[in-house]
Amino acid sequence: QQQVKQSPQSLIVQKGGISIINCAYENTAFDYFPWYQQFPGKGPALLIAIRPDVSEKKEGRFTISFNKSAKQFSLHIMDSQPGDSATYFCAASKNLGNQFYFGTGTSLTVIP
Amino acid sequence: DSGVTQTPKHLITATGQRVTLRCSPRSGDLSVYWYQQSLDQGLQFLIHYYNGEERAKGNILERFSAQQFPDLHSELNLSSLELGDSALYFCASSSRQGASTEAFFGQGTRLTVV
Repeated sequence: QQQVKQSPQSLIVQKGGISIINCAYENTAFDYFPWYQQFPGKGPALLIAIRPDVSEKKEGRFTISFNKSAKQFSLHIMDSQPGDSATYFCAASKNLGNQFYFGTGTSLTVIP
Repeated sequence: DSGVTQTPKHLITATGQRVTLRCSPRSGDLSVYWYQQSLDQGLQFLIHYYNGEERAKGNILERFSAQQFPDLHSELNLSSLELGDSALYFCASSSRQGASTEAFFGQGTRLTVV
């Protein structure tokens, strides 16, 4: 079964707006939660990651919010730009490893 | 450029055939991970090798196998291919087994089984 559930499947945002993608998990053994960005024809690239001992991590325009009790985490992209148009995957792993359970992906389109 | 090289970029083959996908990790990276990306299953972890030894298996079919060689490159062998094996196959590498070291993905091999 899908160990990490991601929504929405697709998202259209105006330039300058906020893009929000949500993920939920069940396995409390997960201890590493990265977000990957994938452009067409390319492999996924790490965008930002968080461990469950913090509730928020910010890197530039990208922020992860983490709610351990609800077993949910989300990616916020502030001031969204057309260059942010890509597919975003949330993921989770155990033992801080790189054997990821990926979400199903969100296709983000930022309209100029 | 992630520094992870996968060859070939595209592969078209017939059902029942066998193919080998190759991955060269970033210089110095000891861990190699294989993932399959398909429309219906999404991105799924297949197998992890660390310094030549298998460390973990995910949703890898028995028809699939992998190995990591002394020079640290890895090969994923897919045999008795079926139409449903058509997918993008990614290799990723990292410097250690885990400990939240970043995994760098290659550009993938697109396999089409006809």
